[in-house]
Amino acid sequence: KNQVEQSPQSLIILEGKNCTLQCNYTVSPFSNLRWYKQDTGRGPVSLTIMTFSENTKSNGRYTATLDADTKQSSLHITASQLSDSASYICVVGVRGYSSASKIIFGSGTRLSIRP
Amino acid sequence: ETGVTQTPRHLVMGMTNKKSLKCEQHLGHNAMYWYKQSAKKPLELMFVYNFKEQTENNSVPSRFSPECPNSSHLFLHLHTLQPEDSALYLCASSQEPGGHSPLHFGNGTRLTVT
Repeated sequence: KNQVEQSPQSLIILEGKNCTLQCNYTVSPFSNLRWYKQDTGRGPVSLTIMTFSENTKSNGRYTATLDADTKQSSLHITASQLSDSASYICVVGVRGYSSASKIIFGSGTRLSIRP
Repeated sequence: ETGVTQTPRHLVMGMTNKKSLKCEQHLGHNAMYWYKQSAKKPLELMFVYNFKEQTENNSVPSRFSPECPNSSHLFLHLHTLQPEDSALYLCASSQEPGGHSPLHFGNGTRLTVT
């Protein structure tokens, strides 16, 4: 069964600190993996995308990694800011399908940055 | 602005009411989607339209009825809902269906069924 598991479910850190969010997936065959950021009261926004051949991708203070062998991804946030408080959702696509039902969502990690 | 606009932002309705959610995208995308987001659960795909034709219905109860009059507009008609239907309903669009192009989401309609 295609699944995406994220950990931790929630996380609280102090402003300026770094943190890493985890995503494990059992999706097969793998096509791509995206991380989305969802601010409270808003829709998700795409942060990064990685395909099978990519193992790291950066977007400002956000760096995503992908290990296709262990089927794990992480999102590392450097020097956190209050505006990083949001839910971060890992989304994996199944290769060979042009169907929305083959986009598998994780439940998200709720990150809170404290001043 | 996300390029995908949803109205209303909040909706409270009784179980016997009929209401509609509206979504409009200004991105020139061909595919539009309805998702349901409940607390601590993954987004649930409800419906997909590609070039205004419905291509997927993810076993959604008939009390939810989608309508796509053109590639830029998407509606979700609601009637005789249940309290467990209370959730955030997100509209999204993409250049093509599937996971190859990113989803662009609206800010959602927070629905409460009383």
